[in-house]
Amino acid sequence: DVKVTQSSRYLVKRTGEKVFLECVQDMDHENMFWYRQDPGLGLRLIYFSYDVKMKEKGDIPEGYSVSREKKERFSLILESASTNQTSMYLCASSTRDRRQAFFGQGTRLTVV
Amino acid sequence: LAKTTQPISMDSYEGQEVNITCSHNNIATNDYITWYQQFPSQGPRFIIQGYKTKVTNEVASLFIPADRKSSTLSLPRVSLSDTAVYYCLVGSMDSSYKLIFGSGTRLLVRP
Repeated sequence: DVKVTQSSRYLVKRTGEKVFLECVQDMDHENMFWYRQDPGLGLRLIYFSYDVKMKEKGDIPEGYSVSREKKERFSLILESASTNQTSMYLCASSTRDRRQAFFGQGTRLTVV
Repeated sequence: LAKTTQPISMDSYEGQEVNITCSHNNIATNDYITWYQQFPSQGPRFIIQGYKTKVTNEVASLFIPADRKSSTLSLPRVSLSDTAVYYCLVGSMDSSYKLIFGSGTRLLVRP
């Protein structure tokens, strides 16, 4: 069974902390994505990666960075967490042709 | 990148057929149409994908007219468990396709 695993289901961090959200996929997929989802705003793409060490900005990259050192792992980094980054974060992966994406269960991050 | 427009919400009753239409007037020749379903507190799940005419699987049917400027997701005989948000995505499989989700259609199935 295909699997995308996010390291935490719930996370509470303080303003100004550096936060790492980890995502691992076991499908040998080339592409990996990070989204955030807020009520009424749907899913918004933060960053995606089409290969190891490669990344492209999505629609809302400000305040975030990413790391992809290995094919199976894609990390989202909040350099200095702020309260407006409180959200549900979703990771996804897909094959190179992007015909079907598989999502993790999500991490609900609260910044206090 | 083709922009999609869907209704914000729809209501239905158990046992009815539900049709959700997505407009994508600027669809390109190489673009596919893909629908995802999302339940509360879960990530989206792939439902169906098509290029033209009709596609059917065990979950849904996808109708695409000849001009491909719209598509309709059809859910036969919905149940309460079909209450979810449904997203229509349009894009080709080249490197510029970023899997952009819109706001989706919130379907509420009532008893």
